[in-house]
Amino acid sequence: AQTVTQSQPEMSVQEAETVTLSCTYDTSESNYYLFWYKQPPSRQMILVIRQEAYKQQNATENRFSVNFQKAAKSFSLKISDSQLGDTAMYFCAFIGGADGLTFGKGTHLIIQP
Amino acid sequence: NAGVMQNPRHLVRRRGQEARLRCSPMKGHSHVYWYRQLPEEGLKFMVYLQKENIIDESGMPKERFSAEFPKEGPSILRIQQVVRGDSAAYFCASSPPQVMRYNEQFFGPGTRLTVL
Repeated sequence: AQTVTQSQPEMSVQEAETVTLSCTYDTSESNYYLFWYKQPPSRQMILVIRQEAYKQQNATENRFSVNFQKAAKSFSLKISDSQLGDTAMYFCAFIGGADGLTFGKGTHLIIQP
Repeated sequence: NAGVMQNPRHLVRRRGQEARLRCSPMKGHSHVYWYRQLPEEGLKFMVYLQKENIIDESGMPKERFSAEFPKEGPSILRIQQVVRGDSAAYFCASSPPQVMRYNEQFFGPGTRLTVL
């Protein structure tokens, strides 16, 4: 069975700072995908970024980037120049070998003005 | 192109009643997934359906819960004889016909079920 662990229940940073959210996972699959989802107070799940395990290059989407360490089974999310609208729950998720996504418990990120 | 639609957005039931949650996938999507989010938790996979077929129900509770995705109409998640522990947000996601190992799942806004 796959597991996803997010060890930071809550984080708070000042606007414009850079913040890194950590995520580790456990799997016996060799090919899989990793994701970060954002869930604002509206509760809508929004895909932030995706990484395919067979790609060594770290994914980047504007201010969002990941540090994917396959051997360590680590998948952290870096948010640069943080904005007030980044305040949300962030979930790390995994899919591989099964049909459904496996989510971590989430990190509540608060961006302070 | 409308996104994934779920209704109702909020549903209140008394213990012992039935809850029916509906999900209309995005246009052109034939795969539907249901997830449950308990308070302070991440989403947990429940079931994966294609039209008229349940593909994977490994995350569904063995009793009281059922899901369907008929040839016509929305997917339905049905919870019989609800208990307080069923109170949660239920999310539906859809994806297009699978042409690669994984297709992105697009999420609906969720249905918040409250059992009194």
